[in-house]
Amino acid sequence: GENVEQHPSTLSVQEGDSAVIKCTYSDSASNYFPWYKQELGKGPQLIIDIRSNVGEKKDQRIAVTLNKTAKHFSLHITETQPEDSAVYFCAAAEGGANNLFFGTGTRLTVIP
Amino acid sequence: DAMVIQNPRYQVTQFGKPVTLSCSQTLNHNVMYWYQQKSSQAPKLLFHYYDKDFNNEADTPDNFQSRRPNTSFCFLDIRSPGLGDAAMYLCATSRDGQGFGYTFGSGTRLTVV
Repeated sequence: GENVEQHPSTLSVQEGDSAVIKCTYSDSASNYFPWYKQELGKGPQLIIDIRSNVGEKKDQRIAVTLNKTAKHFSLHITETQPEDSAVYFCAAAEGGANNLFFGTGTRLTVIP
Repeated sequence: DAMVIQNPRYQVTQFGKPVTLSCSQTLNHNVMYWYQQKSSQAPKLLFHYYDKDFNNEADTPDNFQSRRPNTSFCFLDIRSPGLGDAAMYLCATSRDGQGFGYTFGSGTRLTVV
C-alpha cells in the first residue's frame, strides 16, 4: 500500500516568513495530493490540492509543488500569519480509490 | 451550507459500555468514511460505505461497526470501548468514491473512563 512520509514534524517561523512542508510517497499510482489544515479540536480542512498532471498550483499565499519522478510534493506558505498556526497533513490517493493515505502531520507555529 | 455534521462533539463513555457516534451530510455524496485519529497521529481509515456497500479495512478491530440507514446518515458503533479507543473520530464524505473532494466533519472526541 501507499506510504506517505512528512517532514518536519514541527516548524516554527516568524510572522511574515515562509514555511515549507515536504512529503514523499511510495506508490507511483497515486495521482491526487491534497493538503489539510487541522486546528485544535476541529476536523481537517482542505486548503489546496494538486493532481499529477500539474507540477505546481497556487492559491494566494499557499502553493503546492509536485515532482512525480521523485515522488515528492511540498506545501509552501508565504507571508505567514499567526492564524496559519495549526497542524498540516499531506495525503496521497489514487483517483477512484477510496482511501486517503495521510502523512504524520506538521505542527506549524507562527510567532507574532 | 452543505456540510458534514458530527454529533456529539464530545462523548464520554464507560469502559465496556456501547457507544454510538453519528454523522450526517447534506452534500448528497455517495461515500461516507470513518477515520480514527489518536493524539498527534494521522487519521486512520476504519471503514467506508459506498452507497449501501460496506467496506471494512483489514486491520479495523471487530469492536467497531457501522450502519448507514440512508444516504444522509452514517453511524459508528463501538460495542465494548476500551481505554485504547479514546480518540477523535472523523467522518468524511466524497462523491463517487473519488479521492478528490473529501469533506471532513469536525469530529467527535471520545473519552473512555
